[in-house]
Amino acid sequence: EAGVAQSPRYKIIEKRQSVAFWCNPISGHATLYWYQQILGQGPKLLIQFQNNGVVDDSQLPKDRFSAERLKGVDSTLKIQPAKLEDSAVYLCASSLDLGVAQYFGPGTRLTVT
Amino acid sequence: GQQLNQSPQSMFIQEGEDVSMNCTSSSIFNTWLWYKQDPGEGPVLLIALYKAGELTSNGRLTAQFGITRKDSFLNISASIPSDVGIYFCAGRTGANSKLTFGKGITLSVRP
Repeated sequence: EAGVAQSPRYKIIEKRQSVAFWCNPISGHATLYWYQQILGQGPKLLIQFQNNGVVDDSQLPKDRFSAERLKGVDSTLKIQPAKLEDSAVYLCASSLDLGVAQYFGPGTRLTVT
Repeated sequence: GQQLNQSPQSMFIQEGEDVSMNCTSSSIFNTWLWYKQDPGEGPVLLIALYKAGELTSNGRLTAQFGITRKDSFLNISASIPSDVGIYFCAGRTGANSKLTFGKGITLSVRP
């Protein structure tokens, strides 16, 4: 069974530019999550989808971050405009349903200069 | 908000030794998960626990869901060099609540 796929793996942009990340969850997983992981810390949830609906986006900085999962499968996370403090690894995870174990992709390492 | 405490930040052991890590929370959890993260990779699920008192093994790894529902521990027996990495605990208070992660413990194994 294929795992969670993410692209790109690395991205370097200048502050005030925009960037987008893509995630393809494990087949059949209804729940998809985007996390931000800053160096030396555990992942922090940004947004959680159940199929194509948002379950929790309370920690998403909505003035600059947006995410969508239009057909309930793939998802994109966008940052516009980026700030220096957005430098982090952005992890996508999926689970069969709410409340069960989550499986992570390899992440996208973003560097904002 | 919920807080998870993992300490110490780093652990150094000799190859072949056993090691135990624990995680405590300020809230009562109904799920505990343990992950391992290697450099440049996403966290990999090691063990999932869903009931208080549950003890689950995965090869040389054993994890337990504490009776108080506010703690969990992970044991690694007979450590090997590939056990090196960062170990995260994560928990949630309910099926619809978000997963909260600890800060992780960096494990080093001396050959």
